[in-house]
Amino acid sequence: QSALTQPASVSGSPGQSITISCTGTGSDVGGSNYVSWYQQHPGKAPKLMIYDVSSRPSGVSNRFSGSKSGNTASLTISGLQAEDETDYYCSSYASSSTSYVFGTGTKVTVL
Amino acid sequence: EVQLLESGGGLVQPGGSLRLSCAASGFTFSSYAMNWVRQAPGKGLEWVSIISGSGGTSYYADSVKGRFTISRDNSKNTLYLQMTSPRAEDTAVYYCAKGGGGGYRYFDCWGQGTLVTVSS
Repeated sequence: QSALTQPASVSGSPGQSITISCTGTGSDVGGSNYVSWYQQHPGKAPKLMIYDVSSRPSGVSNRFSGSKSGNTASLTISGLQAEDETDYYCSSYASSSTSYVFGTGTKVTVL
Repeated sequence: EVQLLESGGGLVQPGGSLRLSCAASGFTFSSYAMNWVRQAPGKGLEWVSIISGSGGTSYYADSVKGRFTISRDNSKNTLYLQMTSPRAEDTAVYYCAKGGGGGYRYFDCWGQGTLVTVSS
């Protein structure tokens, strides 16, 4: 399984909205409802932000939302805040190979 | 509160062996699939392996298949990863992660990670 493709970096000003894309194939993103997103601060463990494409775990801000169209999933952060500046990874279950694949990661910068 | 605590990382020579452990608490361990996910220094996340709640089913990434073995002891609430014939490219922080939503959907809780360095 090849890594899902994410932009290396995305930036925005405080209060703005940004969207991070995550592109795979029909064998993973396109063929799965099990797309998730993780936030990772430097030196820390990843934290689940979105699961099953668009569901948000308890305790995660409603400023984070997820969607999917075809082979591309997206994470949108609205009302961008300084604390959102860090790395984000998407992930998808690939049923054909009973495996998971992560995205290449995106660094979000708050200008 | 769910807690996952990895241990066993360190320096290992290429071709050697190492066993990682992950002690779980705060949930019914045997009811959930568990995973190992790794992250090479300065790189992204890579899924390594998953094991079902009963321990009867496991799957591996192609990069470790035949060299690593995942197992669990539900009586001790502990997950393991036996690393044999490690290579330099296996150098990474290894995280254990609890499977969410019935096992194969997402990783809802992560440990703090343990660093494995493969070098002679």
